[in-house]
Amino acid sequence: SQTIHQWPATLVQPVGSPLSLECTVEGTSNPNLYWYRQAAGRGLQLLFYSVGIGQISSEVPQNLSASRPQDRQFILSSKKLLLSDSGFYLCAWSVLGPENEKLFFGSGTQLSVL
Amino acid sequence: GQNIDQPTEMTATEGAIVQINCTYQTSGFNGLFWYQQHAGEAPTFLSYNVLDGLEEKGRFSSFLSRSKGYSYLLLKELQMKDSASYLCAVMDSNYQLIWGAGTKLIIKP
Repeated sequence: SQTIHQWPATLVQPVGSPLSLECTVEGTSNPNLYWYRQAAGRGLQLLFYSVGIGQISSEVPQNLSASRPQDRQFILSSKKLLLSDSGFYLCAWSVLGPENEKLFFGSGTQLSVL
Repeated sequence: GQNIDQPTEMTATEGAIVQINCTYQTSGFNGLFWYQQHAGEAPTFLSYNVLDGLEEKGRFSSFLSRSKGYSYLLLKELQMKDSASYLCAVMDSNYQLIWGAGTKLIIKP
């Protein structure tokens, strides 16, 4: 069966510090991978998605970046965090099937930038 | 612009029925999803509608009217564990998901 792992679960970082969040998927090949951010009272915001190794599409201009060094690994990074980067970050993968392209989410990372 | 509207919060009683509405204005339509999200956890898939009508899955049902840009999620025989946020999302003509802000459902004994 397919599983998705995301870590860390919580993170408190000072403004200006770097960031690295990692996500790995097991049990599937060549998945579509996504990074979302969820702010309180707002809908999920798609940050990046990837359809294959080294293929990254950015949806929102920002100081974050993403990389996919391996088929089932997706990394979200920043060189210098801003206060506005605080939020709940979710990694997800999708499978196309009878129920369209439904998403399976990782457990999330609650990031607080202070 | 593209927009998904759903109530911010609803309260219901254990054992009762509740209907959570979602209206949307998007550039095209390729399906509507409902996800459940418990506090501090990841969303989990509940249902998918692409044709008009009612889809039933146990205690949960989802309805779609494409002409009205409207969907609802119906939860029957409410249990305390149903306390969660319910997210409505629409896939537009570019196959991009547009998300609502979610409806927080509070279940009271």
